[in-house]
Amino acid sequence: AQRVTQPEKLLSVFKGAPVELKCNYSYSGSPELFWYVQYSRQRLQLLLRHISRESIKGFTADLNKGETSFHLKKPFAQEEDSAMYYCAPDKLIFGTGTRLQVFP
Amino acid sequence: DTAVSQTPKYLVTQMGNDKSIKCEQNLGHDTMYWYKQDSKKFLKIMFSYNNKELIINETVPNRFSPKSPDKAHLNLHINSLELGDSAVYFCASSLWTSGGSGELFFGEGSRLTVL
Repeated sequence: AQRVTQPEKLLSVFKGAPVELKCNYSYSGSPELFWYVQYSRQRLQLLLRHISRESIKGFTADLNKGETSFHLKKPFAQEEDSAMYYCAPDKLIFGTGTRLQVFP
Repeated sequence: DTAVSQTPKYLVTQMGNDKSIKCEQNLGHDTMYWYKQDSKKFLKIMFSYNNKELIINETVPNRFSPKSPDKAHLNLHINSLELGDSAVYFCASSLWTSGGSGELFFGEGSRLTVL
């Protein structure tokens, strides 16, 4: 069965601390792998995608095929990173989301 | 020049009523979607249309009926509203790619509250 697990419902860190939002997936076929972000009172938007291998707002995500994971990382969290983050292996399946809170 | 727009943004109604949410995109995309985000922030696909044809229809009650008059519009009609229908409904659009990197563009969401 296609499944995405984001084990942390809430992740709280202080500004400047490293942050890692976990995403594990079970997927038949080749997942596309996206991270979407929803800032307070804003629409969901794409943060980054695996195929681009880019860094957006300091975030990166590495695909680990062996562990079937696509964790999102940032070395130094900023207050404006506070948001809801969703991992998605394709357009139809989303993880349960992780709320990131960055305290000053 | 909003890319994906939904109306209304807020909808408060009584149980048993029928309501509609409209969605329009001006991105030239060929695929549109409806997602439901519940109170726990879980996001689940409901429907997807590609070139006006229904391609994804998840286990959603028959009371929900999507309609796509053209590629740029996907409306959601809900009959006999129930308390459990209270949620935020997101419309999205994309280019349909097989194994590509087509991203989703979301509307702002329509918050439905059933009393």
